[in-house]
Amino acid sequence: GNSVTQMEGPVTLSEEAFLTINCTYTATGYPSLFWYVQYPGEGLQLLLKATKADDKGSNKGFEATYRKETTSFHLEKGSVQVSDSAVYFCALKGSSASKIIFGSGTRLSIRP
Amino acid sequence: DTAVSQTPKYLVTQMGNDKSIKCEQNLGHDTMYWYKQDSKKFLKIMFSYNNKELIINETVPNRFSPKSPDKAHLNLHINSLELGDSAVYFCASSLIADRADTQYFGPGTRLTVL
Repeated sequence: GNSVTQMEGPVTLSEEAFLTINCTYTATGYPSLFWYVQYPGEGLQLLLKATKADDKGSNKGFEATYRKETTSFHLEKGSVQVSDSAVYFCALKGSSASKIIFGSGTRLSIRP
Repeated sequence: DTAVSQTPKYLVTQMGNDKSIKCEQNLGHDTMYWYKQDSKKFLKIMFSYNNKELIINETVPNRFSPKSPDKAHLNLHINSLELGDSAVYFCASSLIADRADTQYFGPGTRLTVL
């Protein structure tokens, strides 16, 4: 079945550091891939998505590229801010399935 | 102008009680979902409705019963609450149940069973 594996946290960085959160997936067919972010005390919100191989999703300085050859969708940001502190979820939605599958979440904390 | 709203935000109750959580979306979406998030932030889908029809029913105890009176509302009723039901429950909606569709989440209901 479909699954998502993402880097365990917590991840703690200093402000302006480079961020990578790894995400790999297992799926049949051609899934869509997502990154959702959950700020403290809130629900999840979409950060970015990619729907086919080699697509790059980007938003708020974050980027992720859909790599079919390595089955990966790593999240990157060149310079993180304190306001980026949150839990980040990698997710996939299969081509024929109607449910989204979330990774276990990675807690990110940014020190001023 | 909240897109997906849930009530109540917090719910504290005793074991064995019955409780309901309500969800409403004003986005005009056809599909709604219930998720359970445990204390380690693991998120698992429970149910999904498309145009008031149940389309996803994961392995959830039958003490949990969703009800969709119309496509803008999806409520969750829980009978005979147990300690293990303590979690944050999120409602979400999407335009359609498509592989590329974005889901919009409510703020969550934190349920504590004592």
